[in-house]
Amino acid sequence: EVQLVESGGGLVQPGGSLRLSCAASGFTFSGYWMSWVRQAPGKGLEWVANIKQDGSEFSYVDSVRGRFTISRDNAKNSLHLQMNSLRAEDTAVYYCVREKVVTISSYFDYWGQGALVTVSS
Amino acid sequence: EIVLTQSPGTLSLSPGERATLSCRASQSVSSSYLAWYQQKPGQAPRLLIYGASSRATGIPDRFSGSGSGTDFTLTISRLEPEDFAVYSCQQYGSSPYTFGQGTKLEIK
Repeated sequence: EVQLVESGGGLVQPGGSLRLSCAASGFTFSGYWMSWVRQAPGKGLEWVANIKQDGSEFSYVDSVRGRFTISRDNAKNSLHLQMNSLRAEDTAVYYCVREKVVTISSYFDYWGQGALVTVSS
Repeated sequence: EIVLTQSPGTLSLSPGERATLSCRASQSVSSSYLAWYQQKPGQAPRLLIYGASSRATGIPDRFSGSGSGTDFTLTISRLEPEDFAVYSCQQYGSSPYTFGQGTKLEIK
């Protein structure tokens, strides 16, 4: 059974940093692209970043580029999101998501339960 | 970036009725790379449909997707009580991946 379990969420002040982690199990983690998707309270879903199987390629949404860093450790089946210079608008539930590749693109087939990040003074 | 607009914002129906949800893209979605997700309160989204019309594993056949280009539809043929939730469309044909704002399907 595919499982994705996020950790590391919490309350942080504006300008602060937080590191999210996702523990993956039930599948060959090193064989999949992985993403982070967030959802602000009462709002829709927003893709944040993704990373290739071997960590050699990654992409970010414009609003977090230069502040967030996605990384992975295939030996430990873990995905990470380092979030710096946090803003109030980064407040959201952050989901760890597995990507299912279809030719040149991919959709999201498994989601974790999410980690709440609150940026507030 | 491709903007997805879902309509209606809220749909009020009764169990047993047919639900039709719309997702319109600001530009053509390449290769019908369009997915639909269901989300219940306090839960993560669940994949229903990918490739505009292919059901994900374990999804009942009362759920169907159709469309191409800029207009896509999710249809639930006969609503069950567990189907009342928020439904979101997503395009994965071009970066950045984008989602619609969601349609809330509520019990009438």
